[in-house]
Amino acid sequence: AQTVTQSQPEMSVQEAETVTLSCTYDTSESDYYLFWYKQPPSRQMILVIRQEAYKQQNATENRFSVNFQKAAKSFSLKISDSQLGDAAMYFCAYRSANTNAGKSTFGDGTTLTVKP
Amino acid sequence: ETGVTQTPRHLVMGMTNKKSLKCEQHLGHNAMYWYKQSAKKPLELMFVYSLEERVENNSVPSRFSPECPNSSHLFLHLHTLQPEDSALYLCASSQVGALNTEAFFGQGTRLTVV
Repeated sequence: AQTVTQSQPEMSVQEAETVTLSCTYDTSESDYYLFWYKQPPSRQMILVIRQEAYKQQNATENRFSVNFQKAAKSFSLKISDSQLGDAAMYFCAYRSANTNAGKSTFGDGTTLTVKP
Repeated sequence: ETGVTQTPRHLVMGMTNKKSLKCEQHLGHNAMYWYKQSAKKPLELMFVYSLEERVENNSVPSRFSPECPNSSHLFLHLHTLQPEDSALYLCASSQVGALNTEAFFGQGTRLTVV
């Protein structure tokens, strides 16, 4: 079974600074997807960024980028120029590409605080 | 406006009540999910429906009963719940098969069992 580990329960960053959230996962599969989700206090979980395992290039979405290290099974999220609206809980998730169930395995989450 | 809509947003029920949570997705997806999110606990997958067939049940207590009448609707029927069942219940949908997408979540139902 796949597992996803987020070793930082809480992180804080100064507004306009950069912060990196860690995620590691364990799998024996070669084809899968990785995601970072954001859950603000309003509680709706929204996708921040997605990475296909077969792609070597790290995904980027505006101020959000990932450092995907497939051999190390590491998938960290970097938030640049942090904004107050980035404050939320962030979840790392793994999804196998080899199933029709499409279920995702989530980490425990990292609560990010942004200080003005 | 989210592509996945959950109702009600908040629910308070007694342990002897019967209630249902509703989820509707407008994204044309073929898979839907129920997750339970409790404080201080990781997100727990409860049920998976893919192509309207239940493909996974992670040993959830029988007091939770899912129903998926079509690919756009998902229900979670609740009866004789316990206080420890109080949590945020999240519905999600995704596309599976040749074209895979990430999961899209609803805003959740905050359930309190008294």
